Amino acid sequence: EPEVTQTPSHQVTQMGQEVILRCVPISNHLYFYWYRQILGQKVEFLVSFYNNEISEKSEIFDDQFSVERPDGSNFTLKIRSTKLEDSAMYFCASSEWSGALHFGNGTRLTVT
Amino acid sequence: GQQLNQSPQSMFIQEGEDVSMNCTSSSIFNTWLWYKQDPGEGPVLLIALYKAGELTSNGRLTAQFGITRKDSFLNISASIPSDVGIYFCAGRDFGNEKLTFGTGTRLTIIP
Repeated sequence: EPEVTQTPSHQVTQMGQEVILRCVPISNHLYFYWYRQILGQKVEFLVSFYNNEISEKSEIFDDQFSVERPDGSNFTLKIRSTKLEDSAMYFCASSEWSGALHFGNGTRLTVT
Repeated sequence: GQQLNQSPQSMFIQEGEDVSMNCTSSSIFNTWLWYKQDPGEGPVLLIALYKAGELTSNGRLTAQFGITRKDSFLNISASIPSDVGIYFCAGRDFGNEKLTFGTGTRLTIIP
C-alpha cells in the first residue's frame, strides 16, 4: 500500500539554526499538509498546500516557517531559525482530494 | 477556535471487551475521521465519515457521523492486544482544509 515517507526520522539542532524536514507524499495525491505534535499533546495543523501554493495556514505557521514542493515528488518544511519550543514531532500528510489524510511516521525535531 | 472534546481520556479494559469512545465539537463538521496512533509513529486512518448519520464499519471497528454534525463515536468490538494505542478523532468543517484533532483516548488492555 502506498505510504507517505518522511526523512529524517530524528533531527537534533541548536537553537537559531535552520532545519528542513522532508516528505514524499503518496504519488497521486494533490493536497499536502504539515502537522506537529508536541510530546503528549494532540496533533496540530500547521499548513495545507494545493496547486503549488499554500491554501491554509494556522497561527503557528509564522514567518519562520515555509513550505516548498521543489519537484514532482518532494514536499518540504523549513524552519528558518529554530526555537526551543519548536521541539515536536512533525507529520507530513497527503490526500487525494479534500478528504481523508494519510500521515507519515514523522520527524522528531529536538532543539537544544 | 474549534474545539474537539474526546472522551474518555483513557480506558483500561480486558481483552475481548467492547470499547466505545466519542467526540463532540463546538461547531459543525462536514468530515469526521478516526485515527489510531502507536508510540513513535504517525496517525493511521481507521475510518472516514462524510455524511451526517453515516455508519461505517472497518472490521471490528464501527464509527458514526452524528446527525447534528457535532459529534461522532467509535466502537471496537472484541478487543485484542494490538488495539492498544491512542485513538484520535479529527474533524473538518466546510470551506477549510485543516483537520482539528481531538485530545485522544488512550486504550490499555489489562492482561
